[in-house]
Order: sequence, then structure tokens, then C-alpha cells
Amino acid sequence: EDQVTQSPEALRLQEGESSSLNCSYTVSGLRGLFWYRQDPGKGPEFLFTLYSAGEEKEKERLKATLTKKESFLHITAPKPEDSATYLCAVQDGGATNKLIFGTGTLLAVQP
Amino acid sequence: DAGVIQSPRHEVTEMGQEVTLRCKPISGHNSLFWYRQTMMRGLELLIYFNNNVPIDDSGMPEDRFSAKMPNASFSTLKIQPSEPRDSAVYFCASSLGQGRNQPQHFGDGTRLSIL
Repeated sequence: EDQVTQSPEALRLQEGESSSLNCSYTVSGLRGLFWYRQDPGKGPEFLFTLYSAGEEKEKERLKATLTKKESFLHITAPKPEDSATYLCAVQDGGATNKLIFGTGTLLAVQP
Repeated sequence: DAGVIQSPRHEVTEMGQEVTLRCKPISGHNSLFWYRQTMMRGLELLIYFNNNVPIDDSGMPEDRFSAKMPNASFSTLKIQPSEPRDSAVYFCASSLGQGRNQPQHFGDGTRLSIL
């Protein structure tokens, strides 16, 4: 059964303090790993798709990386506006477009 | 560009009442997904459609839940009768069909409270 586990559940950083969020997955034939950002009262907002081990994607202060078992979302010199819940999801090698989501990491960046 | 539009944004109703949630996907997207989000279980897929046809409804919790997609620009999720344990945020998402790894784009959800 496909499974996604995110850690830590919550993370508090000082502005400028870099860190990483982890997403471990078990899936039969990964077709894609997705990162989303969710602000309170909003729907998840798409950030990145990673397709294969070794791939990296960057957007502003965020960089996502992928191995055969996990993905990291690195946050460099975060700002308070980076505070949000970050969700990871996987799509397996089957014929459907289903995503399996982790429960997210709640990030708080203090000024 | 208009994103996924959901209505209502908030719904409070009494147990036993019928609830209908509505979704307008992004124009041109031909896959549509309904999710439920709770603190305990996170985001769970309820059902998804491709080209207006239900493909997988294995996540629909009970027969009290039903979903329809009468055309490419509209879908409904109905709960009848509603129960307090149905209280959650319900999201609709759409994507560009069966293309490889197309991301799903979410609406801002309907916060449902069943008293």
C-alpha cells in the first residue's frame, strides 16, 4: 500500500535560519512526487513536481530534492511569509491520477 | 486566470439535512478530484472523474455520499443525510487529465460543520 510520511510535524525557525523538511514514501513505481504549500483557510498551492531520483527543483528560497525513498524540501534563509503547512504527495505507477498525501509539516518562521 | 471555484465557502447545518457542495474546475482541465481534510486524517481522496466519468470512488466513505459531474465545468458532492462526523473541509481540485504527472490545482474549500 502506498504511504507517505512527513517529518517533523511542526517546525519553528528564526528568520534566516535554514532547515529541511522530510517526506518519506513507499510506492509501487513512483510516477511523480509533488510538494504543495497550504496557508490557513486556503487550498493547497502547487510548488514542485519531481520525477526521478537525483532530480532537484528550486523556487526562490525553496529547493526540493528526491531520492528513491524520500524527498527533502530545503528552505534557505526563510522569511516570515514562508510560514505555512507544506504537504508532500506521491503518484504511483498505476493508470490513475490519484495522489496520496502526507499529513504535512507546519512551518512557523519568526521575525 | 480563474482557478478552481468552490461554493459555498462555509456551510453550517443540522444533522440529518442534505448538503450539496459545488465545484467549477479550471477551464480546459478534464480531471476533477474531491478531497476531505481533517486534522486527524489529513487530505483524503474521495472520488475523481476523468472526462466527466467517475473513475475511482473507493474513498467515498458511505452511501450517504454521492458525486456527479454533469458537464466539464461543474461538479457536485452531496451528503444525505449529514452527520456530525462529516464535519471537515472539502476541497475540489482539477488537472490536465491523464498527462504525465500533471499537478492538481485546488480550490479554497468548503468548511462544513454539521451540528
